[in-house]
Amino acid sequence: KAGVTQTPRYLIKTRGQQVTLSCSPISGHRSVSWYQQTPGQGLQFLFEYFSETQRNKGNFPGRFSGRQFSNSRSEMNVSTLELGDSALYLCASSETLAGGLNEQFFGPGTRLTVL
Amino acid sequence: GDSVTQMEGPVTLSEEAFLTINCTYTATGYPSLFWYVQYPGEGLQLLLKATKADDKGSNKGFEATYRKETTSFHLEKGSVQVSDSAVYFCALSDQGGGFKTIFGAGTRLFVKA
Repeated sequence: KAGVTQTPRYLIKTRGQQVTLSCSPISGHRSVSWYQQTPGQGLQFLFEYFSETQRNKGNFPGRFSGRQFSNSRSEMNVSTLELGDSALYLCASSETLAGGLNEQFFGPGTRLTVL
Repeated sequence: GDSVTQMEGPVTLSEEAFLTINCTYTATGYPSLFWYVQYPGEGLQLLLKATKADDKGSNKGFEATYRKETTSFHLEKGSVQVSDSAVYFCALSDQGGGFKTIFGAGTRLFVKA
């Protein structure tokens, strides 16, 4: 099976712009989670989608939003970009089976730079 | 809320040395515990996991035991290799309906030949 893919891999934007990042999960995986990784704050959970519904949400402002499509592909959007949004954004997918916590598989990330 | 604390790095070892990276957690429920590894320029890979107290996760010579009494999940390896140089993240996930994984700050490991 192909792994989790994220596009684009690198992105440069300026303050005030908006950006959309895309994640294609492993075939058959219905859960997609997003994380922000920065040197100062480490890895922080943004949100999780399952069957097109947001199931969990981290402590990020409303400028950060996401959605999931019927084929489980997911996008996250950041509006009104700030310098502090510069980070590596990681997507992870997982099967969701009855009982037990399943492994999350991570994509390579999208490196966003805000100038 | 839930949190994970792991030892600060970087940790520098010589090849074949013994590795321990400490990790402790705070959680209100009964979380599953994980160690992830991130090699330069790559995303995270699951290294090992444990889902209940006293479980031992192991993979590629790495081991960690879920200790509920000390709320710890320390990572160990008996003999490290240069190829083990990476950043290691301890994490927990409380499966109260879906994923919300909380990560530690990460520990960078350098292994010298």
